[in-house]
Amino acid sequence: DAKTTQPPSMDCAEGRAANLPCNHSTISGNEYVYWYRQIHSQGPQYIIHGLKNNETNEMASLIITEDRKSSTLILPHATLRDTAVYYCIVRVAHNNNDMRFGAGTRLTVKP
Amino acid sequence: SAVISQKPSRDICQRGTSLTIQCQVDSQVTMMFWYRQQPGQSLTLIATANQGSEATYESGFVIDKFPISRPNLTFSTLTVSNMSPEDSSIYLCSVEGQGAPGANVLTFGAGSRLTVL
Repeated sequence: DAKTTQPPSMDCAEGRAANLPCNHSTISGNEYVYWYRQIHSQGPQYIIHGLKNNETNEMASLIITEDRKSSTLILPHATLRDTAVYYCIVRVAHNNNDMRFGAGTRLTVKP
Repeated sequence: SAVISQKPSRDICQRGTSLTIQCQVDSQVTMMFWYRQQPGQSLTLIATANQGSEATYESGFVIDKFPISRPNLTFSTLTVSNMSPEDSSIYLCSVEGQGAPGANVLTFGAGSRLTVL
């Protein structure tokens, strides 16, 4: 699976949009982009995923560049409860035994 | 999504002993995964457990150290054998959901925090 690169940490003001970038320049055509987050002392939680189109759900939006080499997770109105480590993962669909977690981005939402 | 219960949630153990972690799922699932998260680190996949077959271990993990059972479609155990302080970690169970292509995402338990003295 392709590797991903994320900034180790980011800060965001409460109520503002949090934009978390991820580079995956070696992504293959059949690999999806997944985002998970891990709030302190909890297991990781699925947020969103996409193949090539932008996606939105009740938690976040995912913007994937046209060349698919990078993506951005957007939390439109960050709250203090969004403070967590956010993981960007790329993998082939139906291949959960290859779900590799990188170091992620530690997002801190500040009041 | 599935609901996963892990036991124990935390434990403190003496070196040289073994501990078995249980993972119970509220629905039948084909694949279950065990991860380790060392202090301050990301998650590392230990093994994949399918019902009715031997678990598949990732590089760096062996069955003698981390034996896994998968007796049915809702339950699995991971044993950490002959523990040393280096085994102090959070151990997480996860299962694969069902959905549209690409949507079979993972659901995780809360984890079992193990401290070895």
